[in-house]
Amino acid sequence: AQKVTQAQTEISVVEKEDVTLDCVYETRDTTYYLFWYKQPPSGELVFLIRRNSFDEQNEISGRYSWNFQKSTSSFNFTITASQVVDSAVYFCALSEDSNYQLIWGAGTKLIIKP
Amino acid sequence: ETGVTQSPTHLIKTRGQQVTLRCSSQSGHNTVSWYQQALGQGPQFIFQYYREEENGRGNFPPRFSGLQFPNYSSELNVNALELDDSALYLCASSHGTATSGNTIYFGEGSWLTVV
Repeated sequence: AQKVTQAQTEISVVEKEDVTLDCVYETRDTTYYLFWYKQPPSGELVFLIRRNSFDEQNEISGRYSWNFQKSTSSFNFTITASQVVDSAVYFCALSEDSNYQLIWGAGTKLIIKP
Repeated sequence: ETGVTQSPTHLIKTRGQQVTLRCSSQSGHNTVSWYQQALGQGPQFIFQYYREEENGRGNFPPRFSGLQFPNYSSELNVNALELDDSALYLCASSHGTATSGNTIYFGEGSWLTVV
C-alpha cells in the first residue's frame, strides 16, 4: 500500500544552520510523483517542488535542495543557512498513476530560532 | 498567491447543523479537490471533481458532498455536523488530476469549529 513517512515530528535549529527534513515513501507503482509543501501558521499549503519517479536528478533552488534516491525510497529536503521565515510545517506527499489523490506524510514542524 | 480562494476563512457551527464551504479555483484549472486537515495532522483527501463530475472519493461518509460548477468553482457541503468535523478544510485546484502528476495548488483554507 502507498505510504509516506516523515519520521521527524519537530526540528528546532538556530538561524543560519543547515537542516534536512526526511521523507520516505512506499509505492508499488513504477510511475509516481513526489511533492514537498510548506504550511505556515496561516494554513495555506505552499507548493515547493514536484519530482517524477524517472528523474533522480537532485535539484537546487536558492537555499533549498532536494535529494531523491529511489534505492532507499527517500526524497529528502535540505534548507541551507536557515532563516526564521523558514519556520513552518513541511509536508511530503506522493501521487501515483493508479491513484487520484495525494498521499501525505504527517508533516515535520520546523522551528528556526533567531 | 496561488489564485485559489476559499470562503469563509473561519466559521463556528453547532453540532447537527449544515455548512457550505466555497472555493474558486485558479484560472484554467479544471480539477478541484477537497482535503480535511485536523490539528497536527496531514491533509486527508475527501473527494475530487473533474469537469463537474466527482471522479474520486476518500474515506468520508455521504454527509460530505460537493459540487463543481461550469466555471470550475466548487462547494463542499457537510450535513449533520459532528464535533470531529472541526478542522481546516483545504481546497486545491489543478489542470488535470493528481494521477498525471499535475501540481496541485491550495487555497488558504476554511477553519471550521463545531461546538
